[in-house]
Amino acid sequence: SAVISQKPSRDICQRGTSLTIQCQVDSQVTMMFWYRQQPGQSLTLIATANQGSEATYESGFVIDKFPISRPNLTFSTLTVSNMSPEDSSIYLCSVAGPGTYEQYFGPGTRLTVT
Amino acid sequence: RKEVEQDPGPFNVPEGATVAFNCTYSNSASQSFFWYRQDCRKEPKLLMSVYSSGNEDGRFTAQLNRASQYISLLIRDSKLSDSATYLCVVNRGYSSASKIIFGSGTRLSIRP
Repeated sequence: SAVISQKPSRDICQRGTSLTIQCQVDSQVTMMFWYRQQPGQSLTLIATANQGSEATYESGFVIDKFPISRPNLTFSTLTVSNMSPEDSSIYLCSVAGPGTYEQYFGPGTRLTVT
Repeated sequence: RKEVEQDPGPFNVPEGATVAFNCTYSNSASQSFFWYRQDCRKEPKLLMSVYSSGNEDGRFTAQLNRASQYISLLIRDSKLSDSATYLCVVNRGYSSASKIIFGSGTRLSIRP
């Protein structure tokens, strides 16, 4: 499986500000995903990020709030914009290889908004 | 109805016991099924894929029942290190390439 890193690992931010989370993979992958895991909850898919095209967002998530970049096959960023305390969560990126539904996750970014 | 439903537990069992979790899914077009394990404050990690014929990996056995749309995970001879949350994961079907849906997880605690 791929080795995935995320930066930052955690952050405490003030409401109204934005935070960009980076996801780096040690090999080229076609599909990358961004998830949110709120306290005590399971994972919810935010969007799918494919290189060379705009991200595809799930219901309830919009590009203005969660802009995503995917400049190449090993890197992606997720920005949490105009943050509110409700955005406090763990944000995880994951990757899947071609032709498989198996996904492997980065260590996550723990975000607290005050 | 949730797309993937699990008993949240917690299951509290003694070391060495056998424990089983069930999971049901609502999308009959789903083709791929997985169990993930998530330790406290860590990311989910793939435990095993679930194949139509059922599959076994050491102490872990996964079963799929397409007719009833449920998946099971059996852990034999449980160890203290098996304490974690187990997530049932199902793909959304043909038209949603590679998208997977997570159940809410079943918490397992193994006591000495």
